Amino acid sequence: DQQVKQNSPSLSVQEGRISILNCDYTNSMFDYFLWYKKYPAEGPTFLISISSIKDKNEDGRFTVFLNKSAKHLSLHIVPSQPGDSAVYFCAASAGGSQGNLIFGKGTKLSVKP
Amino acid sequence: ETGVTQSPTHLIKTRGQQVTLRCSSQSGHNTVSWYQQALGQGPQFIFQYYREEENGRGNFPPRFSGLQFPNYSSELNVNALELDDSALYLCASSWMAGGADTQYFGPGTRLTVL
Repeated sequence: DQQVKQNSPSLSVQEGRISILNCDYTNSMFDYFLWYKKYPAEGPTFLISISSIKDKNEDGRFTVFLNKSAKHLSLHIVPSQPGDSAVYFCAASAGGSQGNLIFGKGTKLSVKP
Repeated sequence: ETGVTQSPTHLIKTRGQQVTLRCSSQSGHNTVSWYQQALGQGPQFIFQYYREEENGRGNFPPRFSGLQFPNYSSELNVNALELDDSALYLCASSWMAGGADTQYFGPGTRLTVL
């Protein structure tokens, strides 16, 4: 049973517009959430994280929103750039930032010029 | 500063064989985690090593085993290979006190079991 779900396998967005990637989780013990970006032939790279005590974290063009009651988080990229085209993984931990990570299946984002 | 490296890049084995994958951690990191990423799936945690001791394990059978060496590099060993073991194997190194958001992944080893 998948504890972290990314229900959209792919997303296509025009350059300059907003990209919104969604993630749902089922385990109420998760208290730390991360987003990773993965280019082909490379390992995932950390993008942004959020603790369950917050509902928003922002880093430049990237913002993560957490809705604990809905067990839902989203990653907003504004404005989207062609270099953002990659697979984005949502991950969650039940041990804070030190815990083992449970990953979703990923969403492939394509940003078209 | 050297990043995380993994060898080999690709590997083909037959069912029942044994395989060893290697990972060199980023300079200054003392923790290595291994993940299995099957096609179309997200990475799945196999286990983590901290200072040469196993420090957490995911839902993988004992035929998946590992080692960490004094220089913090690591090996993943898989015995009695099965077809479902075909996947990308990722290692990630980190500084234990740093947390998951300071975990750096290598490019992975693509294992094909025939």
